[in-house]
Amino acid sequence: NAGVMQNPRHLVRRRGQEARLRCSPMKGHSHVYWYRQLPEEGLKFMVYLQKENIIDESGMPKERFSAEFPKEGPSILRIQQVVRGDSAAYFCASSPKQGASGNTIYFGEGSWLTVV
Amino acid sequence: GESVGLHLPTLSVQEGDNSIINCAYSNSASDYFIWYKQESGKGPQFIIDIRSNMDKRQGQRVTVLLNKTVKHLSLQIAATQPGDSAVYFCAENNYGQNFVFGPGTRLSVLP
Repeated sequence: NAGVMQNPRHLVRRRGQEARLRCSPMKGHSHVYWYRQLPEEGLKFMVYLQKENIIDESGMPKERFSAEFPKEGPSILRIQQVVRGDSAAYFCASSPKQGASGNTIYFGEGSWLTVV
Repeated sequence: GESVGLHLPTLSVQEGDNSIINCAYSNSASDYFIWYKQESGKGPQFIIDIRSNMDKRQGQRVTVLLNKTVKHLSLQIAATQPGDSAVYFCAENNYGQNFVFGPGTRLSVLP
């Protein structure tokens, strides 16, 4: 069974460019979470999506950041006009369903964004 | 011993000793908790979970203890090995909303 797949693993962008990070959840999982991690820090929640729906985007900056999880294809985290402060590891996690207590989320290996 | 580094608290233990990593969670309504292990350059890896109707759960070499009265979670690792060196995070979930992660503890296993 394939786990959560993220790509690219490493991405370098110049200030002002766009970054697109992709996440394919585990087979059978319909819920996706995105987290950001700065070096030597914990994981900060960004957004929680179901297929074609954003469930909770309370952790995502209002500007420049957007996320989607279309009916077909991977979830995409998009960062427009990147700045140096966007440099971080972005982790995707997936779970099979929403709402039930005990619903473990499984993480991918992350996408490391460096803005130069 | 335990010390606070620049960002992450660090716990140093001798190989073969038992490790205890602590976590204070924030929401008294949280009903599900997970411990994750994160090695350098990798994603968080599930270790063990516990629901709020339990106060102890055991896995292979690991035990999680939950004290809801003081909102405290701990992870005990028996006979700590060099491969246990990593950063450990607790995460809490409130009835299916997003998971909130603790700040993490770096475990350093000394030979």
